Amino acid sequence: DAGVIQSPRHEVTEMGQEVTLRCKPISGHNSLFWYRQTMMRGLELLIYFNNNVPIDDSGMPEDRFSAKMPNASFSTLKIQPSEPRDSAVYFCASSPYSVGNEKLFFGSGTQLSVL
Amino acid sequence: QKEVEQNSGPLSVPEGAIASLNCTYSDRGSQSFFWYRQYSGKSPELIMSIYSNGDKEDGRFTAQLNKASQYVSLLIRDSQPSDSATYLCAVYSGYSTLTFGKGTMLLVSP
Repeated sequence: DAGVIQSPRHEVTEMGQEVTLRCKPISGHNSLFWYRQTMMRGLELLIYFNNNVPIDDSGMPEDRFSAKMPNASFSTLKIQPSEPRDSAVYFCASSPYSVGNEKLFFGSGTQLSVL
Repeated sequence: QKEVEQNSGPLSVPEGAIASLNCTYSDRGSQSFFWYRQYSGKSPELIMSIYSNGDKEDGRFTAQLNKASQYVSLLIRDSQPSDSATYLCAVYSGYSTLTFGKGTMLLVSP
């Protein structure tokens, strides 16, 4: 199993540009999560999908952020327009569980730098 | 607001010693507790889970839970330099997903 696959690994962009992060969860996993990690705030949940349906998006900072999961094997997180304060590591994680989230499998992350 | 608190560290221990990592949580209704290890520049990986009061041992790792005190800890026996990482405490309170602490950095010196 290839694990959770994220792309790109690194993204450097200028303020105001659109950024799209991509994630392929582990096959058969019901739940998908997008997290953001910074030194100041730690690991924060942005949005959680279960069976491709967004369940909890209370962590999405503002309207500039949007996430989709068109099918069980693909999800995107889009930031438009990007701002320097969006610079962080963005992790995608999947889980075989629908409740309890007993085990999250994390992707390698996308290091985003907004200049 | 669900909160999970950890000392940021670094916690420095010599090789072979016991490392003790602590975590407190605010939601008394929390049900499940997890420890994730994150090496520098890498993603978190689950190393321990605990659901009931008491101790749970897995190799050199022991997780301890005290729900009355809202306290969970991770002990690492015979610490090795390869254990040097940030340890994230995560709590599930039944509100859809996990809440993570900011992590404690552990440094094990040879």
